[in-house]
Amino acid sequence: EAGVTQFPSHSVIEKGQTVTLRCDPISGHDNLYWYRRVMGKEIKFLLHFVKESKQDESGMPNNRFLAERTGGTYSTLKVQPAELEDSGVYFCASSQASGEVYEQFFGPGTRLTVL
Amino acid sequence: GDSVTQMEGPVTLSEEAFLTINCTYTATGYPSLFWYVQYPGEGLQLLLKATKADDKGSNKGFEATYRKETTSFHLEKGSVQVSDSAVYFCARTSGGSYIPTFGRGTSLIVHP
Repeated sequence: EAGVTQFPSHSVIEKGQTVTLRCDPISGHDNLYWYRRVMGKEIKFLLHFVKESKQDESGMPNNRFLAERTGGTYSTLKVQPAELEDSGVYFCASSQASGEVYEQFFGPGTRLTVL
Repeated sequence: GDSVTQMEGPVTLSEEAFLTINCTYTATGYPSLFWYVQYPGEGLQLLLKATKADDKGSNKGFEATYRKETTSFHLEKGSVQVSDSAVYFCARTSGGSYIPTFGRGTSLIVHP
C-alpha cells in the first residue's frame, strides 16, 4: 500500500513568488492534515480536511496561505505571495478517521526555501 | 498554552550505548503522549504512545513511561544501533483534541 506522498520534495523560490505544494493521502483516508516545521522549531498544525471540507483551519498563519482539497482526494497548499518567514518543511498527513485512536500517517515533507 | 519541551540535540552516541531523550509537557488536562521518529528522507512515524499516567509505551526496543508527577515522558533505549539515527519528536494531545502538539525534535546520531 502506498504511503502519503508529497510533491515537490524541495522548492526554492524568491520572495513574492507563488508556490503550490501537493499532497496525496493514503487511498481511502478521508482525513488530511497539513503541518509546518520552521527550521529548528516545533512542528505546527496548519489545517485539517475531512473529505473536501475544512474541519479546522485554526493554524493557518495568514491569508497568503490557501489550502484546497477538491474531490476529497489530493490536497494543495498554495502560498501567494511567499515571504522569507514561510521557509520550512511542510508535512502532510492522513488518517482513516478523526480521533486519537486513528494514527496519522505522515508524508516525507516538502522543504520550502524562500530567498 | 499546551506545550512540549524536549532536550536539544544533536545527541551523538556510539553503537550499543544507552539512550535517553528527555521530554516534559505542560500539565493541563489529561493528555496522551507520543514519540514520533523521522528517518532520513522519510515522513514521521509513530514510535510509541501512552494514554494515561504510569502507562509505558514500547516499540523496537524503545520505551517511555508517562510520569504525571514529573510531567515527563522520557524516551529510552538500552542499546542503540546505527539504524536508530533519526530525528525524534515528543508530542501530546490537548484535552478533547486529537491534533498533536510537538516538541522541537532531537536529532540522534549513532556512530559504529
